[in-house]
Amino acid sequence: GENVEQHPSTLSVQEGDSAVIKCTYSDSASNYFPWYKQELGKGPQLIIDIRSNVGEKKDQRIAVTLNKTAKHFSLHITETQPEDSAVYFCAASKGGSEKLVFGKGTKLTVNP
Amino acid sequence: EAQVTQNPRYLITVTGKKLTVTCSQNMNHEYMSWYRQDPGLGLRQIYYSMNVEVTDKGDVPEGYKVSRKEKRNFPLILESPSPNQTSLYFCASSSPSRYTEAFFGQGTRLTVV
Repeated sequence: GENVEQHPSTLSVQEGDSAVIKCTYSDSASNYFPWYKQELGKGPQLIIDIRSNVGEKKDQRIAVTLNKTAKHFSLHITETQPEDSAVYFCAASKGGSEKLVFGKGTKLTVNP
Repeated sequence: EAQVTQNPRYLITVTGKKLTVTCSQNMNHEYMSWYRQDPGLGLRQIYYSMNVEVTDKGDVPEGYKVSRKEKRNFPLILESPSPNQTSLYFCASSSPSRYTEAFFGQGTRLTVV
């Protein structure tokens, strides 16, 4: 089955710096890669996703890149703010959201 | 407001005492899933359902049961809870369209003593 590895497990940055979280997946049939943000005491919430026919996608300060050949995808957050502090999860699936395989998460801390 | 509602939010129980965690969604989604979240292990899928009366095992189904008698509800049943089922549980729902968002509930923190 699919296996998703996520690094780093913790990341601490200064406000205004950029943050990068990387994930690799094992199943070449996976074609949908969402990123979820989980704030303390809440459920995960989708922040951005990318499909396998796209190499990069941006939404304001957040971007995701995908390298299908290397089977890895990354989340980039620019101009980080304290409210970006949360746990971030990458995931992979074969198109549907009924069966997502998640990475183990990255705890991002943005220091003011 | 579109939402997935889980109850209870917190539960402490004793080993072997049957319990049910309820999940309800108001978005008319066909797909529903249960995940457990443990420190250092991320989110792991327990069971999922693609429609009423259609359920299938996820990656960690041992010790759990589910049922899907109505489209909006997907309860998680622990017939004989054990301490290793102490965890944070999330219910999620999504539509069957490809590349769509999964909506998560607020979570249920279960402690089995």
